[in-house]
Amino acid sequence: SAVISQKPSRDICQRGTSLTIQCQVDSQVTMMFWYRQQPGQSLTLIATANQGSEATYESGFVIDKFPISRPNLTFSTLTVSNMSPEDSSIYLCSVAGSTYEQYFGPGTRLTVT
Amino acid sequence: AQSVTQPDIHITVSEGASLELRCNYSYGATPYLFWYVQSPGQGLQLLLKYFSGDTLVQGIKGFEAEFKRSQSSFNLRKPSVHWSDAAEYFCAVASSGTYKYIFGTGTRLKVLA
Repeated sequence: SAVISQKPSRDICQRGTSLTIQCQVDSQVTMMFWYRQQPGQSLTLIATANQGSEATYESGFVIDKFPISRPNLTFSTLTVSNMSPEDSSIYLCSVAGSTYEQYFGPGTRLTVT
Repeated sequence: AQSVTQPDIHITVSEGASLELRCNYSYGATPYLFWYVQSPGQGLQLLLKYFSGDTLVQGIKGFEAEFKRSQSSFNLRKPSVHWSDAAEYFCAVASSGTYKYIFGTGTRLKVLA
C-alpha cells in the first residue's frame, strides 16, 4: 500500500485567511481524493484530483472555495479559502489502490477562529 | 438514494470479549464494501474489503466481515478484542467499478480492561 504524508498536521487560522494543505505519496498514483471530516462526523468527499485535468468537485463544494492542484502523480494540494469557523475540520487526502480500495493520509486538523 | 447506516454510534466491550459492528447499505446493485479503522489523531486504515466471491472476508488485525445480500449487511467481527482495538470504525460502500465512496457515520469502540 502507498505511504501518504500530509502537511501541516494541524493548524489554527484566523477567519478570512486561506490555508494550503499538501499531500505527498511515495509512489505514482492516478487518482487522488480530498475528504472533509467535520467534528464528530463521517467523511465527505470534496473532490477527485487527477493529474493533468481539472479536479472534479462533489455537490456542495466549489473550486473557488477549495481550489486543488495536481501537478504530478505523487503530489496534490487543497486550499481552503476565505475560511470561516464552519471550515474547522479534519481534511484527508487519499489515493486509489489497484482494486478500488483507498489509502488515506494522516489528515490535517484545521481550526478556524 | 444510496446510503450506508451504522446503527451503533458507541459500543463498549470488555477486553477479550467478542465484537460485532453493524453496517447496512442501500444500493441498486452489489456494491464494493469496505471497513476502515481510525485511531485517535490518525488517518483511516483499511481493515478489509469485499468485491465478490466468498461472502466471508478476512482482514488485518484479526477482523473478519460477512456480506449478506439478503440483509444488505456487511458486519465486522472479531472473536477477541484487544485494548488497542479502541478506535472509530467506518463502513464504506462504492458502486462497482468506481472509487466513489459513501461512508457510514462511524461506530466508536471503547474497550474496558
